[in-house]
Amino acid sequence: AQRVTQPEKLLSVFKGAPVELKCNYSYSGSPELFWYVQYSRQRLQLLLRHISRESIKGFTADLNKGETSFHLKKPFAQEEDSAMYYCALKGKLGGGADGLTFGKGTHLIIQP
Amino acid sequence: KAGVTQTPRYLIKTRGQQVTLSCSPISGHRSVSWYQQTPGQGLQFLFEYFSETQRNKGNFPGRFSGRQFSNSRSEMNVSTLELGDSALYLCASSLIGEGYEQYFGPGTRLTVT
Repeated sequence: AQRVTQPEKLLSVFKGAPVELKCNYSYSGSPELFWYVQYSRQRLQLLLRHISRESIKGFTADLNKGETSFHLKKPFAQEEDSAMYYCALKGKLGGGADGLTFGKGTHLIIQP
Repeated sequence: KAGVTQTPRYLIKTRGQQVTLSCSPISGHRSVSWYQQTPGQGLQFLFEYFSETQRNKGNFPGRFSGRQFSNSRSEMNVSTLELGDSALYLCASSLIGEGYEQYFGPGTRLTVT
């Protein structure tokens, strides 16, 4: 069965410091990977997806199939980056259904 | 465009009862997915509907069911509620062909006592 692991429940960094949110996955096929973000009192929303290879709000994520990772990075953290971040994988769930599998999330806190 | 709306936003039910939650997708979106979010299990996929047909179903018991109407609005039903069904239920809509970007609603907070 596919699985998404975000090893850090909480990550605290200072403003201006680099940020790396880790995401590892297990999946037997070709995965589609996403990062979703939830700011305080807002809805869950898509931040970026690996197929578009774009930078959103200064964040980038590279799919590393060899290490089965999709880490989210930003060179200089800003206070408005404080949020919950979820890594998600689209693929076959147990039973053959397609669907999104989410990691448990990482709470990112940017300290001033 | 109006975002995804979910009603009701909060609900308290008793064990053994049943509940129906409603989701209105973004206009033009024909795919609606449902998720359960709990502190212990995180976000878990329940099912997806597209053009009134269930396309995918997650690993949940048959007490969880849903349907989609011709206007793409969707409902999910949970019968014989258990304490463990207490959760935030999220609905998300998407436009097929848009790289599976899902737009989430605010959720319905269900408490089972």
